[in-house]
Amino acid sequence: KNEVEQSPQNLTAQEGEFITINCSYSVGISALHWLQQHPGGGIVSLFMLSSGKKKHGRLIATINIQEKHSSLHITASHPRDSAVYICAAHSGGGADGLTFGKGTHLIIQP
Amino acid sequence: DAGVTQSPTHLIKTRGQQVTLRCSPISGHKSVSWYQQVLGQGPQFIFQYYEKEERGRGNFPDRFSARQFPNYSSELNVNALLLGDSALYLCASSLSGVFGYTFGSGTRLTVV
Repeated sequence: KNEVEQSPQNLTAQEGEFITINCSYSVGISALHWLQQHPGGGIVSLFMLSSGKKKHGRLIATINIQEKHSSLHITASHPRDSAVYICAAHSGGGADGLTFGKGTHLIIQP
Repeated sequence: DAGVTQSPTHLIKTRGQQVTLRCSPISGHKSVSWYQQVLGQGPQFIFQYYEKEERGRGNFPDRFSARQFPNYSSELNVNALLLGDSALYLCASSLSGVFGYTFGSGTRLTVV
């Protein structure tokens, strides 16, 4: 079974700061998801990646398959970025192969 | 284009009661998966259905059951509710059930 670890668990930063959230997993994967969860619960899928780097607006996700590590970066952070960010590693061919981290609770203060 | 829709958004039940949660996948998606997220934890896999058949089941008791209908919508049923069943229940759909999941906003269940 894949073990997914995220760091930090909690992060408070000032508006405008560059944010990095890390995710490590123990077993080889087919894909890694970065998800955003706002208070109230709904989950939004930010990225799905299996190699390299993806960028969407101020968000950048990278993955290093050899090191079993992924990072999510937020540039020019804004209070509306405050949310829980979850990484999920997909090591199987179905939904039971999706292992979630516990999430990183990010607060961006104005 | 509608995303994954779940209903109800919130509900409160009493211990011992039964509850049914509903999920409508993105149009064209044939797979629906259910996850339970208790406070402070990541989601845990409960069930996956693909083309109306159960493809996977997580480590949950038999009080949890689910089904998928011909229109690919799905229901999750929980019998004999316990306080520990209080959680956010998330539904995710995908085209093939292999990857590319889109999540719904969840149903917040509180058992009192």
